[in-house]
Parts: sequence; C-alpha cells; structure tokens
Amino acid sequence: NAGVTQTPKFQVLKTGQSMTLQCAQDMNHNSMYWYRQDPGMGLRLIYYSASEGTTDKGEVPNGYNVSRLNKREFSLRLESAAPSQTSVYFCATTPPTSGSSYNEQFFGPGTRLTVL
Amino acid sequence: GQSLEQPSEVTAVEGAIVQINCTYQTSGFYGLSWYQQHDGGAPTFLSYNALDGLEETGRFSSFLSRSDSYGYLLLQELQMKDSASYFCAVRDTTGFQKLVFGTGTRLLVSP
Repeated sequence: NAGVTQTPKFQVLKTGQSMTLQCAQDMNHNSMYWYRQDPGMGLRLIYYSASEGTTDKGEVPNGYNVSRLNKREFSLRLESAAPSQTSVYFCATTPPTSGSSYNEQFFGPGTRLTVL
Repeated sequence: GQSLEQPSEVTAVEGAIVQINCTYQTSGFYGLSWYQQHDGGAPTFLSYNALDGLEETGRFSSFLSRSDSYGYLLLQELQMKDSASYFCAVRDTTGFQKLVFGTGTRLLVSP
C-alpha cells in the first residue's frame, strides 16, 4: 500500500501560470484535505472533502479550486499562480471512525511549489 | 474559532528530557493531538489525548489538562533523530471536524 501519494514533488511556475496538484490515497478513507505550509509556520487548511462529491473551503481558500474526482483522488488547482502561493502543499486523509483513530491524519510527501 | 500557542524553539542535549507546551482556545473540544515533522518531510502522528492525564508511548508521553486548556509533549532519553518540529492540533468543532494546527515548536538536539 502506497498510503497517500502526491505529484509532482517539485514545481516552478511563473506568475499567472496554472497547474494542478494531484493527490491519491489507497487507504479507503472518506475524508481528504489540502494544506499549505509556509516557512516556520504550521499547516493551514485550504480545502477539504468529507466524502466523494463534496468539498468545502478551509482557512485559506482564495486562489485555489479543488476537485474530488472519486474516493481515491483529490486535486488542487491554481488557476493563476502568484508569488504568495509559493509554499509546500500537503494532502492528507483521515479514517472515518471515532476516538483516537479519527484524529490521526495521514499525510502525503508534499509538493514544493515556487512561483516566480 | 480555535487558536493554539507553542514555543517557537526548544533546545536540549542528547539523553535529556524536554517538554513542549501547547495552550489552546477553542469553542468546543474533542482532543489534543501531536505531530512530528522532520525537515523536508511530512507530518506524522505521535499521540492523542481526549481525556485529562498522561498517555505514554515509548519515549514520548503526552499530557492534557482540559480545565487549563493546556497540554504538553514530553520527550525522554533524547536522541539526535528527535530533532524535528512538533505540532499540537485540536479538532475543529464547527461543522466538519477538521484539525487546527499550532505553529509548531522546533526541537534542536545537540550531542
């Protein structure tokens, strides 16, 4: 089992370009998340998806769109990249049960994005 | 909303014990989690406290006091590989229960 995978690992864009970050999980989890992490900062939630077919905004959604393509895949799109979107992007997923296991988020390896 | 405060950096030597504190303000509370992140890596889950008291997992322990809105992560017998950032997180109780993370504490372990 690969867990949570993300592509690409690194990307450099010019201001105004668009791109899609891909995330896939083989853990059969319903919930998926996109975070960004800036140097010295914690993780800030961009968008999340409670289940296939549903998506909701998180703390910092401006400039991003998402698609929950199916249960496995959750993509993040930057329509017109800006230097302020230079960051490391993490996808994560959680199991649906209550108690301790619910809180455990499983993270992908991240995508390091630079916008010039 | 939710907010969490952690010290930005803590330093210690190999073999020592270190405590990383986390205070939180939440409109509701379901539990406090801790995550570890090495430089260039992804966060990984360490522990979760739903009730007051100490939870022990090997060299790591986590404590929670709900009345004080406070928790800490205790790392014993420090090793060089423990140098990493540590994040506390609470579950957001407004609508879908997603996690809200603190800004993290960078732990530097020296020989």
